[in-house]
Amino acid sequence: QKEVEQDPGPLSVPEGAIVSLNCTYSNSAFQYFMWYRQYSRKGPELLMYTYSSGNKEDGRFTAQVDKSSKYISLFIRDSQPSDSATYLCAMSAGSNFGNEKLTFGTGTRLTIIP
Amino acid sequence: DVKVTQSSRYLVKRTGEKVFLECVQDMDHENMFWYRQDPGLGLRLIYFSYDVKMKEKGDIPEGYSVSREKKERFSLILESASTNQTSMYLCASSPLGQGHGYTFGSGTRLTVV
Repeated sequence: QKEVEQDPGPLSVPEGAIVSLNCTYSNSAFQYFMWYRQYSRKGPELLMYTYSSGNKEDGRFTAQVDKSSKYISLFIRDSQPSDSATYLCAMSAGSNFGNEKLTFGTGTRLTIIP
Repeated sequence: DVKVTQSSRYLVKRTGEKVFLECVQDMDHENMFWYRQDPGLGLRLIYFSYDVKMKEKGDIPEGYSVSREKKERFSLILESASTNQTSMYLCASSPLGQGHGYTFGSGTRLTVV
C-alpha cells in the first residue's frame, strides 16, 4: 500500500463548477500538507500549504485537512479553463534536522471545459 | 523571481552514453532533490542532498549518481543511459526548516534511443 493515495482521474468538469480533489494517507506522523499544480510540460508549483488539521482559503482555492481520517482535500470554486492542470498532493512529517522530505501523490489530471 | 533552472528542456541520448543533467538554484537553499516523473507512477525520488558534497539515496538510485560541489548546483549523472531511463526529470530545492515545500525546475524531458 502506498503511503499517499490519489485518484489519477482524469477529471473533467464544466467551467464554473466546484472541483474537489482528494488524497488519503497512512502515515499518522504527517503534519505538513501541500498541494502542487503542474501545467503540461512544466514543473510543479506550490499552490497551497496547511499545517496540521483545519482549513485554509486562498482566493478560489480551499485546502482542508482531516488528520483523524487521514484525508486531505482541495476545493476549487468557480473553476476556470486556466485551472486545467495536474494537481499533486504532498505531505511530510517534518524533521528535527530541518531536512524535510515530501511524499507525493501520483497526481489528478483536471480539465475544465469552457 | 526565485528560480530553479535546469539546463535542458529536451534531450535525446543514445543507449550507453553518459548523461549529465544540471540544476542550479538562486535561492541559497540547503536542500536539493532529483525526481523522475512517469505516467501512473508519479514523482519518484532518485537522490537528494542536504549540503555541499553530501548526498543520500532516494527510492530509485540504481543507474544514477549525483554531484554537489557547490551549494547552488546539483547534477544528476546517468552512468550508462538505458531506454528505461527515458523520463521527465525534475530538480527541486528547499530551505532548511519544515513546511516550506519545494521549488521545482521546469524539468528535462530525456529520451534514450
